[in-house]
Parts: sequence; C-alpha cells; structure tokens
Amino acid sequence: DAGITQSPRHKVTETGTPVTLRCHQTENHRYMYWYRQDPGHGLRLIHYSYGVKDTDKGEVSDGYSVSRSKTEDFLLTLESATSSQTSVYFCAITHGTGTNYGYTFGSGTRLTVV
Amino acid sequence: SQQGEEDPQALSIQEGENATMNCSYKTSINNLQWYRQNSGRGLVHLILIRSNEREKHSGRLRVTLDTSKKSSSLLITASRAADTASYFCATGIIQGAQKLVFGQGTRLTINP
Repeated sequence: DAGITQSPRHKVTETGTPVTLRCHQTENHRYMYWYRQDPGHGLRLIHYSYGVKDTDKGEVSDGYSVSRSKTEDFLLTLESATSSQTSVYFCAITHGTGTNYGYTFGSGTRLTVV
Repeated sequence: SQQGEEDPQALSIQEGENATMNCSYKTSINNLQWYRQNSGRGLVHLILIRSNEREKHSGRLRVTLDTSKKSSSLLITASRAADTASYFCATGIIQGAQKLVFGQGTRLTINP
C-alpha cells in the first residue's frame, strides 16, 4: 500500500501481556498515525507522530504508548492488553501539504485479546 | 465523540442507480475527505474538498460541502458492483498535525 506496511497482520494474545505493533513507511513522511476500528465507532485516533521522537495523544490513548525513534518506523504498544483492545489497528501516513492532504493506510493488524 | 455522523448507515441499490451518502460534522474544518473501505482492507482516499469549496468532481464521484450546515454529501453515479464497500467521511480539523476525524461509515451494497 504505497510504501506503508504493518506487522503483524494478525495476532492473538492473552490478557495482561504487552503487545507491540509496527508500522513501517519507505517514503520519508513526517506525519504518522495509529487508529483503531471497531463496529459502531468507525476509526478513532490513538496516537500520532509529527516527527522523530515527537508524538501526541489522540482520542483513545489510554492503555497505549507509541515510539518513533526513526522516521520510517512508528510503534504502537499495548502495555497490558485487555479484551477491550481487541480491534483492527490501522496505521496511516499523510500525503500532500497544507490543507490539501490525504491519508494512505496500511492493510491493518487484527488483534484479538483472549 | 465522533465528529462525523453519516447517513444512512447502510444503503442497498441496484447496479446502475446513483448512491448518495451524507455526512454531518460539528466543529470548524479545513477540509473534508471521503474514503472507501473494501471488506478486510485498509481505507482508500477518494476525494478531498477544502472548506472554501462547494462542489468537487472526480470521475463518477461528486462531493458537495455546505459549511453553513456543517454537512457534506457523496454521490456515486451509475453504480457498479465493484462500488460495494463502506464509505467514510473524515474531517480535517483546524488544530493541525493534519489529523482526521472519521465518521462511522455507510455500508453500500450494489445489487446486480
């Protein structure tokens, strides 16, 4: 998907375990985002990054942390997974400038917490 | 809370007919975008309309924006089976970092 990949694509984990999802981009984009998608809620922003080591919280950040140590990688960590974090997670980058921009999304990670 | 509210939540039409989806939002925006999502896939950007624009076209897509009513519509003309997907509006909020706030989506089914 236009230079953005997510890994893993699927994961099943146990309640209480830490989980890290990876988003990798190859086009040197400044902004990167993590969303979760749940039925009835659409996509909700978890965290985003506006540069290396520059991150901020989104709408549903509780229980999640992120890191961006280099431009191409944006990691999402569930510190202690709970069943409410069962979801599909999407990473996105922006293309365009100013107010004329759009997102390119990764293929998503389906996470199940049992 | 969701910025964008979409209507209808689901729409089923015959192939060849036009499909119209609506989106309402709450706060000031700098742009509004529409995305398509096929089952099990990521979202794909369709079209963007800036806050100072009223109408935009791209192929069979027509988007309108009424900032006084805080609403937008997406029209897909001459629908095809391949248009079956979920469609999401997303608002570009003014606070920056190019963040988007997504609606809950409209599930469109095109019947052959």
